[in-house]
Amino acid sequence: EAGVTQSPTHLIKTRGQQATLRCSPISGHTSVYWYQQALGLGLQFLLWYDEGEERNRGNFPPRFSGRQFPNYSSELNVNALELEDSALYLCASSRLAGGTTDTQYFGPGTRLTVL
Amino acid sequence: DQQVKQNSPSLSVQEGRISILNCDYTNSMFDYFLWYKKYPAEGPTFLISISSIKDKNEDGRFTVFLNKSAKHLSLHIVPSQPGDSAVYFCAASLYSGGGADGLTFGKGTHLIIQP
Repeated sequence: EAGVTQSPTHLIKTRGQQATLRCSPISGHTSVYWYQQALGLGLQFLLWYDEGEERNRGNFPPRFSGRQFPNYSSELNVNALELEDSALYLCASSRLAGGTTDTQYFGPGTRLTVL
Repeated sequence: DQQVKQNSPSLSVQEGRISILNCDYTNSMFDYFLWYKKYPAEGPTFLISISSIKDKNEDGRFTVFLNKSAKHLSLHIVPSQPGDSAVYFCAASLYSGGGADGLTFGKGTHLIIQP
């Protein structure tokens, strides 16, 4: 079974530009989560999508947004990039089992560098 | 306010001995706890989880213990092997009426297995 995949592996942008990161969940998983791992800050929850809808977001400004497509893949968009947006962005997926919690499985991440 | 805390940034253990990684949490509403292992520039790999209705879960060399009254969980690795050297993250989840919400992570403990 293929795991969570993310693209691109690395992304270099300049301040003020927009970045688009992509994620494909494990087959059969309907929920996609985005996390940011910035230097010294640990893993922080960004966004949760399920069945095409945004279910929840962490403590991040609105310039962090995304969407989930009918095939459950997801896109994270970061607008008006700032230097502190440089981080490893991780995507995870899980299977909603009748409303109970389920394990989140992570992809390899996209390293975003803002110059 | 950090809701999940791993107070030991690093831990050194001799090969073959037991490794014990600790985690404390403050939010009594957390109902699902997970441990992940992470290598640099890679996504976290799921190790083991425990529901709040249990106090122990075992999977091979890995055992997680949950003490709800103390809001404390620990991961035991027996016996420790060189390949266990990595950063270990404790994570907690809240059921939010439809599935697992974004995970809240601790800052991680770097486990070093000495030969």
